[in-house]
Amino acid sequence: DAGVIQSPRHEVTEMGQEVTLRCKPISGHDYLFWYRQTMMRGLELLIYFNNNVPIDDSGMPEDRFSAKMPNASFSTLKIQPSEPRDSAVYFCASSSGTEGIVAANEKLFFGSGTQLSVL
Amino acid sequence: AQSVAQPEDQVNVAEGNPLTVKCTYSVSGNPYLFWYVQYPNRGLQFLLKYITGDNLVKGSYGFEAEFNKSQTSFHLKKPSALVSDSALYFCAVRANTGGFKTIFGAGTRLFVKA
Repeated sequence: DAGVIQSPRHEVTEMGQEVTLRCKPISGHDYLFWYRQTMMRGLELLIYFNNNVPIDDSGMPEDRFSAKMPNASFSTLKIQPSEPRDSAVYFCASSSGTEGIVAANEKLFFGSGTQLSVL
Repeated sequence: AQSVAQPEDQVNVAEGNPLTVKCTYSVSGNPYLFWYVQYPNRGLQFLLKYITGDNLVKGSYGFEAEFNKSQTSFHLKKPSALVSDSALYFCAVRANTGGFKTIFGAGTRLFVKA
């Protein structure tokens, strides 16, 4: 398996522009997570999906952020309009597991991340 | 609400010496606890996890972690550090009360000196 695939690897944009980050989870995984990593705030959970349905989006910072998962093999995180303070590394992760039951595959598999710079 | 605290921004240790990276957590109900490692320009990689059972958990690359329920801690340990262990280490917690929300600590940078 190729693992979790994120694109682009690097994104440089100007303030006010729309940014779309993409993620392909590991085939068969039914959970997908979006995290943001900054020096100041560490690794923050933005949103996670189960079977393509958003379960918890309480970490999404503002209405400028939106995430979708149209099918089991693709998710997007969109920022519109982007601001310099959105500059960070954005990670996608996927996992499989069953709530409340000890399951072998409860760890997260992370992609390599997208380094976003908003100028 | 779930939370994880990693009290040390950086841990310095000499190669061959034992290392400990500290983690305390707060969660409703019983926790699932994890350690991940991040190398430069890479995503996080799973090291080990505690789900239930034995409080001492063994993981990849010779790392182990000890779950202490009374102290709500899950410290990462290794008997003999290697220079190649130098990386950023994250502790994470997930509540075993439904949901799959996984919260990470701020991370601890481990520096192993030759």
